[in-house]
Amino acid sequence: SAVISQKPSRDICQRGTSLTIQCQVDSQVTMMFWYRQQPGQSLTLIATANQGSEATYESGFVIDKFPISRPNLTFSTLTVSNMSPEDSSIYLCSVEDRLARVRYEQFFGPGTRLTVL
Amino acid sequence: QKEVEQDPGPLSVPEGAIVSLNCTYSNSAFQYFMWYRQYSRKGPELLMYTYSSGNKEDGRFTAQVDKSSKYISLFIRDSQPSDSATYLCAMVIIQGAQKLVFGQGTRLTINP
Repeated sequence: SAVISQKPSRDICQRGTSLTIQCQVDSQVTMMFWYRQQPGQSLTLIATANQGSEATYESGFVIDKFPISRPNLTFSTLTVSNMSPEDSSIYLCSVEDRLARVRYEQFFGPGTRLTVL
Repeated sequence: QKEVEQDPGPLSVPEGAIVSLNCTYSNSAFQYFMWYRQYSRKGPELLMYTYSSGNKEDGRFTAQVDKSSKYISLFIRDSQPSDSATYLCAMVIIQGAQKLVFGQGTRLTINP
């Protein structure tokens, strides 16, 4: 199974600034996903990032607020732009490994805990 | 109405008890059903999966799906303190690209 790391693991940021979160996978994967998990809430998909194409955003999420890069098959970044306290959340990346034993299984990183003051 | 409804708990039971966790869903397009377990400050990990109505057993865990009622359950037998975690149901929808839709998660504590 794919092993995923995220940087930073946590951060405290000021309102109006931006934070870029990195996601690194130990194997090449086609599909990478970015989720937000707000306190007491479910995981909500922000966007799907496939290498070589523009990220596909879910309803309620826009590229200007959450720009995503996917330069190769093992790495992606999510930027949270012009942050407000409402952006305080855990951000997780996940991948779908075509070699996984379970179809559609996603492997998750440990998450980035963001607090915006 | 949310596509997937799950009671967030928290749920606290004594060690050895049988635990029942449930989700309901509204979208008939969901095709695959999963349960993820998330320990504190970790990402979710797949625990159980099933593709059809009926029961699937794996050790102390049983996943149950009733597509006619749009209802899925996870049963934990002989619960252990190490089972304390948040359990999230997840469903796969395939409309063009596939994606997972998660329930809110139920926070479970097993007391020794």
